[in-house]
Amino acid sequence: DTGVSQNPRHKITKRGQNVTFRCDPISEHNRLYWYRQTLGQGPEFLTYFQNEAQLEKSRLLSDRFSAERPKGSFSTLEIQRTEQGDSAMYLCASNTGTGAPGRYGYTFGSGTRLTVV
Amino acid sequence: TQLLEQSPQFLSIQEGENLTVYCNSSSVFSSLQWYRQEPGEGPVLLVTVVTGGEVKKLKRLTFQFGDARKDSSLHITAAQPGDTGLYLCAGSNTGNQFYFGTGTSLTVIP
Repeated sequence: DTGVSQNPRHKITKRGQNVTFRCDPISEHNRLYWYRQTLGQGPEFLTYFQNEAQLEKSRLLSDRFSAERPKGSFSTLEIQRTEQGDSAMYLCASNTGTGAPGRYGYTFGSGTRLTVV
Repeated sequence: TQLLEQSPQFLSIQEGENLTVYCNSSSVFSSLQWYRQEPGEGPVLLVTVVTGGEVKKLKRLTFQFGDARKDSSLHITAAQPGDTGLYLCAGSNTGNQFYFGTGTSLTVIP
C-alpha cells in the first residue's frame, strides 16, 4: 500500500493555460474525492467518484473544471483557461466501503500546489 | 460556506502544556472526524466519532463528540513539538462529502 499519490506536486502556469492533475488512489479504494484548499482555510469539496461514476459535483466546480476516472482507478482533474483565483492546493482522497461514506475516513494524497501567474 | 467553526484559529503554547480545540456547528452530523495537516502535505486522519457523547482517546489526544452531534472537542495533554500542525475537524451527514472546519493552527514551542 503506497497511499494516495498525486502528480505533479507543484505546478506554476500562466493565466489562461490549461492544466491537468493526476491522482492514483489506494488500489482497493472504490471512492475518490477531489478537494481544494486555499491558504488559511479547510479543504472544500469539489467532486466525488464511486468507481468510474461521478456521483456528485460541487457548485465550486465551474464549467472550466472537469474530472474523470475512466476505469475506476486513477483520476484526472483538468482546469481550462486558468485564472489567478484557481491558485490553491488540490487534494485527492480515497476510501472504501458500501455504506454511507461519512463513516469511513479519507486517506489524502500530498496534494498538487497550483500557482497561476 | 463553512458549516463548521473551529476555535481558536491560532494557538501557541509551551511544551508540556495542555490545550483544547473546539469545533462547533449549528448542523447535526452523523459522523465527525479530526485530521492533522502539516505544511505542504495532505490531512492525516486521527479519529472518527459517530455517537453523540462518544469519547475516544489516542495516546495524549482525547476527542469528544457532543451529545447533540453538533460539536466536538480535541484535548491534548502535555503537548510536544511533534504535535505542531493544523488541526481540522470535518463533519458528514447523509451526503457523500465531508464539510471541513476552518482549522486550528497549533505551534508547540520546545
